[in-house]
Amino acid sequence: GAVVSQHPSWVICKSGTSVKIECRSLDFQATTMFWYRQFPKQSLMLMATSNEGSKATYEQGVEKDKFLINHASLTLSTLTVTSAHPEDSSFYICSARAGGGQKNIQYFGAGTRLSVL
Amino acid sequence: GESVGLHLPTLSVQEGDNSIINCAYSNSASDYFIWYKQESGKGPQFIIDIRSNMDKRQGQRVTVLLNKTVKHLSLQIAATQPGDSAVYFCAENNSGGYNKLIFGAGTRLAVHP
Repeated sequence: GAVVSQHPSWVICKSGTSVKIECRSLDFQATTMFWYRQFPKQSLMLMATSNEGSKATYEQGVEKDKFLINHASLTLSTLTVTSAHPEDSSFYICSARAGGGQKNIQYFGAGTRLSVL
Repeated sequence: GESVGLHLPTLSVQEGDNSIINCAYSNSASDYFIWYKQESGKGPQFIIDIRSNMDKRQGQRVTVLLNKTVKHLSLQIAATQPGDSAVYFCAENNSGGYNKLIFGAGTRLAVHP
């Protein structure tokens, strides 16, 4: 159980184009999903918290108009990198929260490697 | 606290030995902790968690120890296997506050035959 699917796993795009990444919880409903960015040999940096049916909450320094998040259902959140540039190249990972109360277990997708040429 | 750093510390162990990976957290209000394992090119995988009202929790071949006095967390892996080679992250959560996971810098575990 608690499987999170992320698609695509790898994408190469030209500078100026937009890229959409999907995150699905396959066997549970997730009212909250998270989007992280990870640079090589570094830890995960939270970009935003995605809440089903409401606007995402962005971390300080993350441009909401650059990274559009939509959480239209309890099993799907999408991240769109708009007008991508080479500096946006990174490993993007989503997670979905399972469990209630004090437990904040997040189950992660396999990640999406974005390369912007 | 926030994760920083360009270089992951590495722990090298022999196959069959026990491994101990350490993590210091910064927020004394954190009440829930998770260890994740991340293999190259993949997303983090949940290993074990512990609430702040406990100081030890055991799983299959893994044990997590929590010392709230010094804000220290450790992951012990018994009889380390080559498949355990990965980067290990601790994550802390403050359920009464921001309720989001803050990841540590990570430790690379290299298991040698």
